[in-house]
Amino acid sequence: QQPVQSPQAVILREGEDAVINCSSSKALYSVHWYRQKHGEAPVFLMILLKGGEQKGHEKISASFNEKKQQSSLYLTASQLSYSGTYFCGTENVQGAQKLVFGQGTRLTINP
Amino acid sequence: GAVVSQHPSRVICKSGTSVKIECRSLDFQATTMFWYRQFPKQSLMLMATSNEGSKATYEQGVEKDKFLINHASLTLSTLTVTSAHPEDSSFYICSARSSGVTSYNEQFFGPGTRLTVL
Repeated sequence: QQPVQSPQAVILREGEDAVINCSSSKALYSVHWYRQKHGEAPVFLMILLKGGEQKGHEKISASFNEKKQQSSLYLTASQLSYSGTYFCGTENVQGAQKLVFGQGTRLTINP
Repeated sequence: GAVVSQHPSRVICKSGTSVKIECRSLDFQATTMFWYRQFPKQSLMLMATSNEGSKATYEQGVEKDKFLINHASLTLSTLTVTSAHPEDSSFYICSARSSGVTSYNEQFFGPGTRLTVL
């Protein structure tokens, strides 16, 4: 079942912060975050594994609350290059191989 | 490292023809490859999962006779859209996964192929 992302779209000014949430109705083993720019392939950002891990990538970090079956992506002091659509992909059990992606959150950063 | 290529990047074809899309892992061996379809402003919808040397596993609702997938080697998978029709027009993206690249088995995506069927 497809995870639900919120919000669907965000518009920020450069330097502002944003939080993107990803919620699942099923227990999660891992959550993968990707960013896709228009007409391009998704680019891997980070993976969070079962166990409450927090990962960071430059000024982008994420958390994973397995009890709540959700993950949040935090973008701090956003840069113009952060614009794009963010997808979370979820894996319900270890070794599931495939990911189920959320519907995406479109992030627009204005100067 | 972990580069995935796709060819062609764009293809325009007439209705009824078949189109083959190649997906290659350039610097690692991909034990598993995935094929996705993406409509404008929508999510990535998994079509099938393929493991080297075995038959692909198709998602519910995906016609295996229409979307032929071959994973002949650890670096190459192909998707053939047979008897393409305008409703098959879409952005097709492959991804590759290998336990040997990193510790986390993340997927690395190709640049995608834009298919337009006239």
